[in-house]
Amino acid sequence: EAGVAQSPRYKIIEKRQSVAFWCNPISGHATLYWYQQILGQGPKLLIQFQNNGVVDDSQLPKDRFSAERLKGVDSTLKIQPAKLEDSAVYLCASSLGSRGGSPQPQHFGDGTRLSIL
Amino acid sequence: AQSVAQPEDQVNVAEGNPLTVKCTYSVSGNPYLFWYVQYPNRGLQFLLKYITGDNLVKGSYGFEAEFNKSQTSFHLKKPSALVSDSALYFCAVRDGATGGFKTIFGAGTRPFVKA
Repeated sequence: EAGVAQSPRYKIIEKRQSVAFWCNPISGHATLYWYQQILGQGPKLLIQFQNNGVVDDSQLPKDRFSAERLKGVDSTLKIQPAKLEDSAVYLCASSLGSRGGSPQPQHFGDGTRLSIL
Repeated sequence: AQSVAQPEDQVNVAEGNPLTVKCTYSVSGNPYLFWYVQYPNRGLQFLLKYITGDNLVKGSYGFEAEFNKSQTSFHLKKPSALVSDSALYFCAVRDGATGGFKTIFGAGTRPFVKA
């Protein structure tokens, strides 16, 4: 099966500019996640969708970050305006959610490495 | 609140020797536990999971993990390490009690396997 697709792979912008990332999950995966991974740290969940509804966005800096999954398939994550501290790898993941109450593993894309100058 | 800790940033092991990567967790109810591996410039890849049942879970690439409820640990093990096992390993936990959906990842441990 095709994996999780993300683009672009790399992005360099100046602070206060805007940027958008795109993710196409594995076909049939209802759950989609966006993570921020700062160098030397584990992934931190920014937002989780179940189909096109938001399940958890408690750690999303809503004054500058936004995300949507309008048709319940692909998703975009936007940052506007960017700050130096947003330099990180942004990972998208998808999963089947839960089967019989048992959570399914997440499948990750290769991420977008964002550098803020 | 749920949490996960990987006490070692790096572990050193000789090729052919056993490899252990430690993980401890804290949850309110029953834990759902996962191990993932990340190679340079790649996303995380799923290795194995513990949901219920046998405490010893077998996964990909010869890895296994042992769930210990009393010690709240879920250590990753491989009987004979390879140089190619030098990557970044993440333990992750989800709390089964709260009905929440969030998975929390540890900070990662990097085994350095020397030939």
